[in-house]
Amino acid sequence: EVQLVESGGGLVQPGGSLRLSCAASGFTFSDHAMDWVRQAPGEGLEWVGRATHGIHGYTTEYATSVKGRFTISRDDSKNSLYLQMDSLKSEDTAVYYCTRVPSGPRGPIDSWGQGTLVTVSP
Amino acid sequence: DIQMTQSPSVMSASVGDRVTITCRASQDINNYLGWFQQRPGKVPKRLIYAASTVQSGVPSRFSGSGYGTEFTLTISSLQPEDLATYYCLQHNSFPLTFGGGTRVEIK
Repeated sequence: EVQLVESGGGLVQPGGSLRLSCAASGFTFSDHAMDWVRQAPGEGLEWVGRATHGIHGYTTEYATSVKGRFTISRDDSKNSLYLQMDSLKSEDTAVYYCTRVPSGPRGPIDSWGQGTLVTVSP
Repeated sequence: DIQMTQSPSVMSASVGDRVTITCRASQDINNYLGWFQQRPGKVPKRLIYAASTVQSGVPSRFSGSGYGTEFTLTISSLQPEDLATYYCLQHNSFPLTFGGGTRVEIK
């Protein structure tokens, strides 16, 4: 069974930093690209970014709203995905979900974690 | 960025009704579109991928269609457990983008 468990959320002041982690289990982590998705309170879903996968390393992609402030990384030896968030703004307040991208031509995100709440407030 | 426009944003229907939700892309995304259901207080769940392929385990009343810029999610006979917000997601090009969501209410 695919399991994705996020951690690291909490309260942070505007301009501050926070690092989220996602522990993956139940599948071969290194075979999958991984995405972060967020959802502000009472709002819709917003894709944050992706860490691709591959034997020669990985690349990253970001939403326009977070590019230059957020950094996604992964450690396949630890089956873990990370989201480093810097220069945080109030509009970054959201539940952050770790998600799995299926391998092959099987579409977008097929598994979600339970999410971790990040609150940016003075 | 590709904009995904969903309509309607809210709808109310009776049990047994046929429900159709539309998602329009600001440019051609081939069939790189998925549909997700998010029940109140729950994590999103994928219903459809590749515009029309139903996820394993999803009830057969859910179907998807479309190609290019216009897509639809259809619930053939609305059930009480379908109370949820539905989102489309394009993954044709980065950055990926979600539609704004359609909240389905039961009359």
